[in-house]
Amino acid sequence: QVLLQESGPGLLRPSETLSLTCAVSGFSISNGYYWAWVRQSPGKGLQWIASIYHGANTFYNPSLKSRVNISDDTSRNQFSLIVRSVTAADTAVYYCARLAITEEFDYWGPGTLVTVSS
Amino acid sequence: SSELTQDPAVSVALGQTVRITCQGDSLRSYYASWYQQRPGQAPVLVVHGKNNRPSGIPDRFSGSDSGDTASLTIIGTQAEDEAVYYCHSRDRIDNRLFGGGTTLTVL
Repeated sequence: QVLLQESGPGLLRPSETLSLTCAVSGFSISNGYYWAWVRQSPGKGLQWIASIYHGANTFYNPSLKSRVNISDDTSRNQFSLIVRSVTAADTAVYYCARLAITEEFDYWGPGTLVTVSS
Repeated sequence: SSELTQDPAVSVALGQTVRITCQGDSLRSYYASWYQQRPGQAPVLVVHGKNNRPSGIPDRFSGSDSGDTASLTIIGTQAEDEAVYYCHSRDRIDNRLFGGGTTLTVL
């Protein structure tokens, strides 16, 4: 069974850097899938942030590309997201997910709420 | 344009059939996938590709597509199907897109 679990700081101040990690169990992240981050602001819809494939291939939402970075650590079977210079608009539940080559997000983590507030 | 458009809300009587649609230029080239999200929970994949359901998804859920529109159909809607449904696809430059979501109310 594929399981994903996000971890993050919970609360940040404006202008700080958000760092999130997704621990994957039951499947190797080196095994031919994309790994992705999706967020959901309170009461709003889903927004794709970034995806990574085989470590070297990264893809970013153009609206966030200047502030985010996705990376992976195959030795720990996890992948991470950094969001720089956060504002209140970055307050959201952040989900990590597995994205198949056939373009469906087939496994999701439970999500972690990140609040940006002074 | 790289957008997916969904109706904000749809309602259906218990046991009846409902269709939720998703429109966008990218759907002329790529299949949509559909997600069910109940309050406080992560999204769950219900339909993907031409018309594929993951293990554990009831066969009352089905997908179809025509031109720039993808549809999710629920036949014999149950009370537990009340949720927000999102479509997803990609565009030609590797952006992943979500529709704005459709809130399904079962009457």
